[in-house]
Amino acid sequence: DTEVTQTPKHLVMGMTNKKSLKCEQHMGHRAMYWYKQKAKKPPELMFVYSYEKLSINESVPSRFSPECPNSSLLNLHLHALQPEDSALYLCASRQTESTEAFFGQGTRLTVV
Amino acid sequence: AQKITQTQPGMFVQEKEAVTLDCTYDTSDQSYGLFWYKQPSSGEMIFLIYQGSYDEQNATEGRYSLNFQKARKSANLVISASQLGDSAMYFCAMSSYSSASKIIFGSGTRLSIRP
Repeated sequence: DTEVTQTPKHLVMGMTNKKSLKCEQHMGHRAMYWYKQKAKKPPELMFVYSYEKLSINESVPSRFSPECPNSSLLNLHLHALQPEDSALYLCASRQTESTEAFFGQGTRLTVV
Repeated sequence: AQKITQTQPGMFVQEKEAVTLDCTYDTSDQSYGLFWYKQPSSGEMIFLIYQGSYDEQNATEGRYSLNFQKARKSANLVISASQLGDSAMYFCAMSSYSSASKIIFGSGTRLSIRP
């Protein structure tokens, strides 16, 4: 099983809303990632969690707040987003630094 | 710093033909991994193939093979007997062990298969 599950698949939110994206994997992977992808562009790294600790934050604005409650779950809390934050948000996981990474289907976020 | 370069923004290929998607990379690390992903219009990022820098043999997965030329720092994806369902965006990606698990992507190649 190489499944990474992301919910919701689609999300529309206002600029004053608070919402959360969820990512789950049951492969025992120890590294989990959040990426942001704009149309016709490659994914851009936002955060990396390694062994449930935040190891990389690519200078992401504080309106994006990641959380890793346990080794299987990764959340991305959203607050006071801007329309330019509209994008596809992808979650990924991998066993170690020397193995392949698997992605979820993504959440298409629209900020209105 | 690591960098991935894909020089083919778009390609058209006849169905059943083989196709090679180019990828070159730049890193000063000795230990790294190279990935190829397929992204259909639905948006999901589908893992295709992985090559570790110390792997002596080129990776293969079904119709996909990775032509790894370490000295040239290239990791081209070869798709044999292309199918209509292969039409998608293809990304080459890299992760080096000194970069603390970062996975960086090239700009992608949009592959279109003609019937």
